[in-house]
Amino acid sequence: DTEVTQTPKHLVMGMTNKKSLKCEQHMGHRAMYWYKQKAKKPPELMFVYSYEKLSINESVPSRFSPECPNSSLLNLHLHALQPEDSALYLCASSQGLPNEQFFGPGTRLTVL
Amino acid sequence: AQSVTQLGSHVSVSEGALVLLRCNYSSSVPPYLFWYVQYPNQGLQLLLKYTTGATLVKGINGFEAEFKKSETSFHLTKPSAHMSDAAEYFCAVSDQNTGNQFYFGTGTSLTVIP
Repeated sequence: DTEVTQTPKHLVMGMTNKKSLKCEQHMGHRAMYWYKQKAKKPPELMFVYSYEKLSINESVPSRFSPECPNSSLLNLHLHALQPEDSALYLCASSQGLPNEQFFGPGTRLTVL
Repeated sequence: AQSVTQLGSHVSVSEGALVLLRCNYSSSVPPYLFWYVQYPNQGLQLLLKYTTGATLVKGINGFEAEFKKSETSFHLTKPSAHMSDAAEYFCAVSDQNTGNQFYFGTGTSLTVIP
């Protein structure tokens, strides 16, 4: 299984809602990533988990809260988002060097 | 930190013409280089990668790229463009010093004209 899955595909939420994005991989990869991507721009790194521990947090606002329950799962909890947080949220995983990243299909998030 | 430059944010080619997308990187150590393709509202799909060995690498969908250390380049080519090649293309780099970090170029949007 060389696939990274993400749910939901689409999410519309209000600024007072709480929602979660889910990512799963069964390739045995020990690093997992959350990226935010705006249209026609490269993915921007948000968080990196390495061996289930948060290793990189790229100064992301606290309204985004990552969680890694186990080595196969990665969640992104969302609360009190702003309209400018609307974007495609991508999950990826990798295993050691050369650090090739395997991407999921993304969740298209719209904040009203 | 690494930097990746993709010259030309938009490239248009005629169907059947050569595709050339440019990528230059900065790295003081041997890099690992990647090209990804992204179709609208989808994730990124790996086209090809260079790690070690042969500098000309072949990927999926007829694409290939050549690692030129002297020019710090990893340009992507395809001899004959197809309509289905229209997409966003990202060059990316990592190396043994960047840990889990992965650095993307700004992307090139490829349009194929019938």
